[in-house]
Amino acid sequence: EVQLLESGGGLVQPGGSLRLSCAASGFTFSSHAMSWVRQAPGKGLEWVSAISASGDRTYYTDSVRGRFTISRDNSKNTLYLQMNSLRAEDTAVYYCAKEANYYDSRGYYYNWFDPWGQGTLVTVSS
Amino acid sequence: QSVLTQPPSASGTPGQRVTISCSGSSSNLGKNSANWYQQFPGTAPKLLICSNNQRPSGVPDRFSGSKSGTSASLAISGLQSEDEADYFCATWDDSLNGWVFGGGTKLTVL
Repeated sequence: EVQLLESGGGLVQPGGSLRLSCAASGFTFSSHAMSWVRQAPGKGLEWVSAISASGDRTYYTDSVRGRFTISRDNSKNTLYLQMNSLRAEDTAVYYCAKEANYYDSRGYYYNWFDPWGQGTLVTVSS
Repeated sequence: QSVLTQPPSASGTPGQRVTISCSGSSSNLGKNSANWYQQFPGTAPKLLICSNNQRPSGVPDRFSGSKSGTSASLAISGLQSEDEADYFCATWDDSLNGWVFGGGTKLTVL
């Protein structure tokens, strides 16, 4: 069974740092890109960052670029999100998600998130 | 404001057919496939439709998806009370070089 288990959330003061982890099991972790997606209380889903299967390519939404760093350790089947200079607006449940993908017979590329972890709550407040 | 536009709410009575729209642009839905996620309060999102119209194993065939141009739709036929949830569309955006989501649609079964 594919499982993703986030940890590392908690209460942090504005300007502080936190590192989230996502432990993966049940699939070949090193073969899949991974993402972090967050959801502020009562709000919708917001993609935060993605990393390629090998870890050589990373992507960020504008609001976190320069403050957050995504990384992975394929030997430990673990995804990370280092969050620095945290702001109140970073308060959210953070989910990790496995990216699945395929090319069809015409060469079109399809990708999606499945599954998602259960999430870890990050609260930025003084 | 979300890059993909969804109606904030939708409703229907049991047995009815409901559709939820998702509008994007040439850099996202115009080039890439639509995915839909279902989320119940206090739980993680779950994949409902991928690759515009593909149902993962275990998803009832009451759920269907389609995409045309820069818009996508999720249809739920034979509406049931347990379908009451939030629904989000998502795709990759080639200009932003990242994933984008719709703001979500809260479905109420009357």
